[in-house]
Amino acid sequence: SQKIEQNSEALNIQEGKTATLTCNYTNYSPAYLQWYRQDPGRGPVFLLLIRENEKEKRKERLKVTFDTTLKQSLFHITASQPADSATYLCALGDTGRRALTFGSGTRLQVQP
Amino acid sequence: NAGVMQNPRHLVRRRGQEARLRCSPMKGHSHVYWYRQLPEEGLKFMVYLQKENIIDESGMPKERFSAEFPKEGPSILRIQQVVRGDSAAYFCASSPASGSIDTQYFGPGTRLTVL
Repeated sequence: SQKIEQNSEALNIQEGKTATLTCNYTNYSPAYLQWYRQDPGRGPVFLLLIRENEKEKRKERLKVTFDTTLKQSLFHITASQPADSATYLCALGDTGRRALTFGSGTRLQVQP
Repeated sequence: NAGVMQNPRHLVRRRGQEARLRCSPMKGHSHVYWYRQLPEEGLKFMVYLQKENIIDESGMPKERFSAEFPKEGPSILRIQQVVRGDSAAYFCASSPASGSIDTQYFGPGTRLTVL
């Protein structure tokens, strides 16, 4: 069955450093992958989308990579700030079915 | 442009009662999705609807759960005869009609507590 793994342990980093979050998947060939941010008690907020034929995508301080051979996506936040503290979710999708399959998320804590 | 709206934000029901969750998609969006999130777990897809049609209900429990998206008005997720295990956050998302790749925009969720 399809499986998506995100580091269940919280990631604690110092302000100004680069945070790197990992999303691994098995038994799946997604056409695209999305990253969302979720704050406590709120709905997920879309951040970035990367297609299977794209290696890397950037948006301001965010960078996503997508390696379909390793079946892995890395999500980077450069120059991290305490306001970046949240849970980050990866979600996989394919063009044949619109439902997204989500990982359980990684909680990021940026210390001032 | 208002985002996805859900109401109520919090809903408390006793076992055996019915729960009705409402979702108004973003303006111009005709696709609606419902997801459920249990504590400390990821979002699990339940159902995907377009106006007046259920497109994919593969994640919906076969009993007690139903969803609709009428021509006029919000999408409704209905849970009949609720049980304690139904306690969760229910999120609605919407996306525009065009394109094969879906960026889904989520509402704030309805937190259902079953006593």
